Amino acid sequence: DTAVSQTPKYLVTQMGNDKSIKCEQNLGHDTMYWYKQDSKKFLKIMFSYNNKELIINETVPNRFSPKSPDKAHLNLHINSLELGDSAVYFCASSPWDRKYYGYTFGSGTRLTVV
Amino acid sequence: DQQVKQNSPSLSVQEGRISILNCDYTNSMFDYFLWYKKYPAEGPTFLISISSIKDKNEDGRFTVFLNKSAKHLSLHIVPSQPGDSAVYFCATHTGNQFYFGTGTSLTVIP
Repeated sequence: DTAVSQTPKYLVTQMGNDKSIKCEQNLGHDTMYWYKQDSKKFLKIMFSYNNKELIINETVPNRFSPKSPDKAHLNLHINSLELGDSAVYFCASSPWDRKYYGYTFGSGTRLTVV
Repeated sequence: DQQVKQNSPSLSVQEGRISILNCDYTNSMFDYFLWYKKYPAEGPTFLISISSIKDKNEDGRFTVFLNKSAKHLSLHIVPSQPGDSAVYFCATHTGNQFYFGTGTSLTVIP
């Protein structure tokens, strides 16, 4: 029973394409996130949603658009993919009191843009 | 601009010995610190945390120490086991922001 599941696990696509990564959590958490781990292994937050409402929107290109149809889902759409978008993208969720319990992460989506 | 730094990218330890993973941070306003463990092809999993009002928190074989004056925290694993081989991230939190270090890859040699 996967707590935070994201699909697909691997995604290889050509430059200029549009792609989506889906994320679902069955933990009943209120808040969901997208993180990007770059080639230097640095985990950096991209977006955060609380009860379907955007609360963090870091400086990412507007080609990246999160969509939260309900509090259990947070999808990431990427338009006009570029080589520099290649990275591992992690979805995560947390209860409202995230400081004390941290995040539960998905297993990641490795995006390769060729 | 890294708020949290793990200066050792890798560490090897013999089984049964102590593993010590280190982390430094820049902002004295950070009030909560966490350690995550990550296996290949999996997401990070929460391991242990510590509040800034404490200097030590223990959970089984895992102990986290916090030195606020030095802006330094460390994770001790005693005794180390081969299953502990993973990448360990330290993280901290303030407001809506969560900051992660770049990780230390621990290898426990049987």
